[in-house]
Amino acid sequence: GAGVSQTPSNKVTEKGKYVELRCDPISGHTALYWYRQSLGQGPEFLIYFQGTGAADDSGLPNDRFFAVRPEGSVSTLKIQRTERGDSAVYLCASSFGGGAYEQYFGPGTRLTVT
Amino acid sequence: ILNVEQSPQSLHVQEGDSTNFTCSFPSSNFYALHWYRWETAKSPEALFVMTLNGDEKKKGRISATLNTKEGYSYLYIKGSQPEDSATYLCAFMKTSYDKVIFGPGTSLSVIP
Repeated sequence: GAGVSQTPSNKVTEKGKYVELRCDPISGHTALYWYRQSLGQGPEFLIYFQGTGAADDSGLPNDRFFAVRPEGSVSTLKIQRTERGDSAVYLCASSFGGGAYEQYFGPGTRLTVT
Repeated sequence: ILNVEQSPQSLHVQEGDSTNFTCSFPSSNFYALHWYRWETAKSPEALFVMTLNGDEKKKGRISATLNTKEGYSYLYIKGSQPEDSATYLCAFMKTSYDKVIFGPGTSLSVIP
């Protein structure tokens, strides 16, 4: 079956611009996670959705970052007034339920802020 | 602040060698420990999810153990092959509805 997909695969934007990153989870997966990965480090947790609601958004670095999952499926990560420090690979993962289930990762979106 | 550590940071072994690496996590309030393999240019792939103290899991030549009381998990690879070359990540959760904390990973290179 189809895995987790993320679009776009690459995004180059200018400092100060707004960007949206999309994640399509595996059908039927209720849990969805967003991570940010910088070179040489493990994925950094951003936000976790269970259904439509954010169960834990404590990893969002500041109020420029926001994520939604209005129908409990597709999720969008929104970054306002982008900064060069936001450049990273943004990973999305979904799982059947909560923490005891393995996560299936998408290919990531590489964001470059110039 | 929850801290998940992995050691060693990187490892180079000869084909056929067996190897192991460590994931350390807070020993209080444990819910689950995940292991993932991340090959270059691919997405992380789940290896194991472990929830019980003393758990041992095996998939082919790869196995893992879990000690929640002392806060560590070991990943073992028997008879390493070049295709095992990847970064191995562990991830800790203290509750089912909580954030997932990844370690920095162990980068394994298997030399033919």
